Amino acid sequence: EAGVAQSPRYKIIEKRQSVAFWCNPISGHATLYWYQQILGQGPKLLIQFQNNGVVDDSQLPKDRFSAERLKGVDSTLKIQPAKLEDSAVYLCASSLNRAPKETQYFGPGTRLLVL
Amino acid sequence: AQKVTQAQTEISVVEKEDVTLDCVYETRDTTYYLFWYKQPPSGELVFLIRRNSFDEQNEISGRYSWNFQKSTSSFNFTITASQVVDSAVYFCALSEYTTSGTYKYIFGTGTRLKVLA
Repeated sequence: EAGVAQSPRYKIIEKRQSVAFWCNPISGHATLYWYQQILGQGPKLLIQFQNNGVVDDSQLPKDRFSAERLKGVDSTLKIQPAKLEDSAVYLCASSLNRAPKETQYFGPGTRLLVL
Repeated sequence: AQKVTQAQTEISVVEKEDVTLDCVYETRDTTYYLFWYKQPPSGELVFLIRRNSFDEQNEISGRYSWNFQKSTSSFNFTITASQVVDSAVYFCALSEYTTSGTYKYIFGTGTRLKVLA
């Protein structure tokens, strides 16, 4: 079974530029998550989708970050405009459904450096 | 208040030594789930184990074992006879109910394990 796919793996941009990340979850997984992991910290949830609907975006900086999962499968996360403090690894994860017992499976992440 | 505490920032051991990674959590839920993940240098978080709040049995999987104690709110992870390939950052996570009616993981800050040959 294929795991969670993410692209690109690495991205370097200048501050105030825009960037987009793509994620394809495990087939059949209804719930998709985007996390931000700053160096030396644990992942922090940015947004959670159930199929194509947002169920939790309370920690998403909505003035610059946006995400969509239009067909309930793959998803994109965008940052516009980027700030220096956005330098981090952006992890995508998926789970079969949204329940406390559901295990989340993670992709390899996109490492973003904002100069 | 921090919900998941991994007080050990970094641990170094020599190959074949046993090592225990500590995890202390805080929750008001009576039903909750705890997880351990491994993050090797490649960056991907690899699922290791899930434990629910009603199951306090210790678990062993090969060289890995987990000790869950509700009385002390701890979920510690032991690697027996460590190997260089065990070098990674290990994260403990708590599945927590949110006010928006869903659940999310709360991760600790991780423990970096270095196993020296």
